[in-house]
Amino acid sequence: AQRVTQPEKLLSVFKGAPVELKCNYSYSGSPELFWYVQYSRQRLQLLLRHISRESIKGFTADLNKGETSFHLKKPFAQEEDSAMYYCALQGGSEKLVFGKGTKLTVNP
Amino acid sequence: KAGVTQTPRYLIKTRGQQVTLSCSPISGHRSVSWYQQTPGQGLQFLFEYFSETQRNKGNFPGRFSGRQFSNSRSEMNVSTLELGDSALYLCASSLFSGTSVGELFFGEGSRLTVL
Repeated sequence: AQRVTQPEKLLSVFKGAPVELKCNYSYSGSPELFWYVQYSRQRLQLLLRHISRESIKGFTADLNKGETSFHLKKPFAQEEDSAMYYCALQGGSEKLVFGKGTKLTVNP
Repeated sequence: KAGVTQTPRYLIKTRGQQVTLSCSPISGHRSVSWYQQTPGQGLQFLFEYFSETQRNKGNFPGRFSGRQFSNSRSEMNVSTLELGDSALYLCASSLFSGTSVGELFFGEGSRLTVL
C-alpha cells in the first residue's frame, strides 16, 4: 500500500533561516514523488517532482530510497514561502496519494 | 488556457439529501481526479477517471460515486449525506501518460456543508 507521512503539521522559521519539510513514504516499488503547495487563497499547485530534478523558487528535494524520504529544503526562507505544503506519491499506475500537509510560517 | 472549473463553489445540504458536483478539466486533459479535503485528514483520494473509465478508486463508501463524459467533464455524486461529508471537494485534471498522472491541475473546489 502507498502511504505518505509528513510528521510536522506546523513549522515556523524566521526569514533567512534554512527550512526543511519532511516527507517519508511507504511503497515497495519505485515511486514518483511530488511536492504540492497551496498559498493563501490560491489553488493547490505543483511545486516540484523528483524526476525533473529542478529547483523551483529555491526549493529542492532529493529522493532517498534507502530512507524512503523526499524532504523539501530551502537554504534561506522568505516570507512569501508561507503556505501549506503537501508531499504526494504515485506508485506505478496507482492513484496519487497525498500526505496530510505541513503548514509553513516564515516570520519576519 | 482556462483552468479547472468546479461548480457549484459553495453549497449547503441537510442530512439524507444527495448532491452532485461538477468539474470541467483543462482543454485537452483526459484524466480527472477527485479529492476530499478536510482539516483533519488532508487530501483523501476519491476516484480518478480517464476516457470515461474509472481508473482508480479510493476507500470511500458506495454513497460516493462519479462519472466522466465523452468531453472529459466529470461529476461526482454523494447520496444520503452525513454530517461527516462536510468538506472541500477538489477536482484535478492532468495529461495522463499511460502510467503516470503527471502534474495535477486543481480547481478551486466545491465547499459542501451538511447540516
